[in-house]
Amino acid sequence: KAGVTQTPRYLIKTRGQQVTLSCSPISGHRSVSWYQQTPGQGLQFLFEYFSETQRNKGNFPGRFSGRQFSNSRSEMNVSTLELGDSALYLCASSLAGILEAFFGQGTRLTVV
Amino acid sequence: QQQVKQSPQSLIVQKGGIPIINCAYENTAFDYFPWYQQFPGKGPALLIAIRPDVSEKKEGRFTISFNKSAKQFSLHIMDSQPGDSATYFCAASKAAGNKLTFGGGTRVLVKP
Repeated sequence: KAGVTQTPRYLIKTRGQQVTLSCSPISGHRSVSWYQQTPGQGLQFLFEYFSETQRNKGNFPGRFSGRQFSNSRSEMNVSTLELGDSALYLCASSLAGILEAFFGQGTRLTVV
Repeated sequence: QQQVKQSPQSLIVQKGGIPIINCAYENTAFDYFPWYQQFPGKGPALLIAIRPDVSEKKEGRFTISFNKSAKQFSLHIMDSQPGDSATYFCAASKAAGNKLTFGGGTRVLVKP
């Protein structure tokens, strides 16, 4: 069974640009969550989608947004990139009603 | 009230030793407490998880101890091996949704 797949693995963007990250959950998993990991702030929850609806949201500015498609695949978008957005962005998927979350390898975003 | 505090930040043990990582939480609504292991360049991998109605859970060489009244839980790695060298994160979430609140992480080094 394939794990959580995130693409791309690495990205370099310039300040002010926008970026879209993609996450394909484990087959059958309908919940997808996104996290930002930085050395200073650790792992922080961004948002969670379930059946195409945002179910939970963390404390991030509106520049961070996401969506989920009918096949449970999810995308995350960051607009007007700032240097501080440089981080490892992680996606996790889980079965409906089950709490165990499985992470992908992440997308390393560098903003220059 | 959403914080999860993890200690120590780093730990060095000899092969065969028992690294112990501690976490404390504030929010009594948390009722699911997983531990994740992360190697450099990889996403966090679920190790073991516990619910508050259980005081101890073992899976292989990993043991979680849970003290509900003190709002603390800990991870013990029995007979540690150099391959266990990684960063370990505790986390907590409520029953609804999959918003994980993570501790700051503990970097464990097991010397041969």
